[in-house]
Amino acid sequence: GENVEQHPSTLSVQEGDSAVIKCTYSDSASNYFPWYKQELGKRPQLIIDIRSNVGEKKDQRIAVTLNKTAKHFSLHITETQPEDSAVYFCAASIPEGAGNQFYFGTGTSLTVIP
Amino acid sequence: DTEVTQTPKHLVMGMTNKKSLKCEQHMGHRAMYWYKQKAKKPPELMFVYSYEKLSINESVPSRFSPECPNSSLLNLHLHALQPEDSALYLCASSQAQGAGGLETQYFGPGTRLLVL
Repeated sequence: GENVEQHPSTLSVQEGDSAVIKCTYSDSASNYFPWYKQELGKRPQLIIDIRSNVGEKKDQRIAVTLNKTAKHFSLHITETQPEDSAVYFCAASIPEGAGNQFYFGTGTSLTVIP
Repeated sequence: DTEVTQTPKHLVMGMTNKKSLKCEQHMGHRAMYWYKQKAKKPPELMFVYSYEKLSINESVPSRFSPECPNSSLLNLHLHALQPEDSALYLCASSQAQGAGGLETQYFGPGTRLLVL
């Protein structure tokens, strides 16, 4: 099955700096890569996603890049703010049968220091 | 409306109890998922229903029994749970399988379960 690795597990940045989180996947059948932000006690919330036919996508301060050849994708947050502090999960999705199988990374705990 | 709702928000049960978790979405999504999440860990997939049929069962113990009464509802029946089953149980839904935006998955707020 798919194996998604995520690094780093913890990340501290000063407010205003950039944060980068990296994920790798193993199965070339994965074709959809969402990123979720989970605040303490809350649900995972989709913040950005990318499909395998696209190399980069940006939404305001958040961007995701995908390198299909190397099987890795990254989340970039610019001009970080304290409210960006949360756990971030990457995932890779494979169409499987009649549903989608989502494989999650182990998470990155991001702390933005004011 | 991109909302998935779950009830109850919190549940405490003994090891001999029977309880049910409920999940509902009215977005017309045809794939629904149950996940289990322990603190500071990623969600672990338990079950996937697609078009009201169970399509994926990730070797979950039989003390967890899913049910999909219709395309908007998903239940998880719990019986004879163990303390290690204490976790956040998340429901999610997506429009369908495949590409083009259909697979985007939305999570409910979860049910925090404590088994004594």
